Amino acid sequence: EAQVTQNPRYLITVTGKKLTVTCSQNMNHEYMSWYRQDPGLGLRQIYYSMNVEVTDKGDVPEGYKVSRKEKRNFPLILESPSPNQTSLYFCASRSLDHNEQFFGPGTRLTVL
Amino acid sequence: AQKVTQAQTEISVVEKEDVTLDCVYETRDTTYYLFWYKQPPSGELVFLIRRNSFDEQNEISGRYSWNFQKSTSSFNFTITASQVVDSAVYFCALGTYYNQGGKLIFGQGTELSVKP
Repeated sequence: EAQVTQNPRYLITVTGKKLTVTCSQNMNHEYMSWYRQDPGLGLRQIYYSMNVEVTDKGDVPEGYKVSRKEKRNFPLILESPSPNQTSLYFCASRSLDHNEQFFGPGTRLTVL
Repeated sequence: AQKVTQAQTEISVVEKEDVTLDCVYETRDTTYYLFWYKQPPSGELVFLIRRNSFDEQNEISGRYSWNFQKSTSSFNFTITASQVVDSAVYFCALGTYYNQGGKLIFGQGTELSVKP
């Protein structure tokens, strides 16, 4: 089954404690993105990757890092989380020649 | 600049009523895509429809229908004979092929509540 998986699905952490949210897709897609969803703002792109070792900032990249060492994986790293990063995070992937985005199930992060 | 506006923050209807969710977009691109997603209380995003800018045909899928009008930059979504299970947040989104990895620009979302 074609899918995007994210882990963990729920996470409560404290300010400053480094964390990683994993994202993996099994569709051999070139493009992958991270979005965050906040009330009244919809979803906004954090970072994106167009292929292995090719990543770039989206619209709200501050406080986040990503890496793309393998085509299937695109982890989101918060080196020093702060309460304003409390949000619902979605990973997405799409193929080079097709515009349909496949979204993961979401990760609900709370930073205390 | 690219932008999607969903002016209705919340809509409440009684079961069996028809309801239309509005979506207005802004873009200078001549090729673009429009999407609708449903987000039920469980939080996942459920893909409903994709339309490209060359295809202004309206679409119907069961109780759902979409009206795409380039002249008014609108892509409205109608649910006919609404049901309680339609209660969710609905997002309209605009996308291009290559801009920022084909990112989607989302509207703020419309929370639909269907009461029995």
